[in-house]
Amino acid sequence: NAGVTQTPEFQVLKTGQSMTLQCAQDMNHEYMSWYRQDPGMGLRLIHYSVGAGITDQGEVPNGYNVSRSTTEDFPLRLLSAAPSQTSVYFCASSRTATGGENSPLHFGNGTRLTVT
Amino acid sequence: DQQVKQNSPSLSVQEGRISILNCDYTNSMFDYFLWYKKYPAEGPTFLISISSIKDKNEDGRFTVFLNKSAKHLSLHIVPSQPGDSAVYFCAASSGYSSASKIIFGSGTRLSIRP
Repeated sequence: NAGVTQTPEFQVLKTGQSMTLQCAQDMNHEYMSWYRQDPGMGLRLIHYSVGAGITDQGEVPNGYNVSRSTTEDFPLRLLSAAPSQTSVYFCASSRTATGGENSPLHFGNGTRLTVT
Repeated sequence: DQQVKQNSPSLSVQEGRISILNCDYTNSMFDYFLWYKKYPAEGPTFLISISSIKDKNEDGRFTVFLNKSAKHLSLHIVPSQPGDSAVYFCAASSGYSSASKIIFGSGTRLSIRP
């Protein structure tokens, strides 16, 4: 099992460029989510999905789009990159949205994004 | 406004002693509370959880305590070991609600000194 796979691992963008961060899971999980990690801010929820075709906004959704056309994939799109979006991005999935011992969140290894 | 708060950014504990990490929350709709552990350059991994119908849950060296009236939970690690040095995130969810999502705190960096 590959678990949660994120690509790319590292990315440098110029202000105004767009890109898509890829996330795929092979565990047939219904719940998927994107977080960004910034110093002193912890993990902040960007967008999440409780199943294919269903997405919703998290705590910091501005500047990002998501779609969930399949159970396996949950890409995150940066529409027009800004230096404030420099961060480490984590994708996570779980069987349900409880995140606890019966349905723990499985995280990818992160995408380290720098916007200059 | 942060719904899950970890007010101590860092904690240093001697090996063999107890480590106590604290977390506060504001949303009374949360009914599931979680702790995750993160090493550098890796994604967080699940450690232990507790549902709102309990006030204590143990798993080996790790115990989580929940005080609903104070909207406070804590993670106790006894005895602390060098491999416990990591960043610990507290998180909360509203369980099986169709609108559920998992919200994390800002993390506490735990350092275990010899």
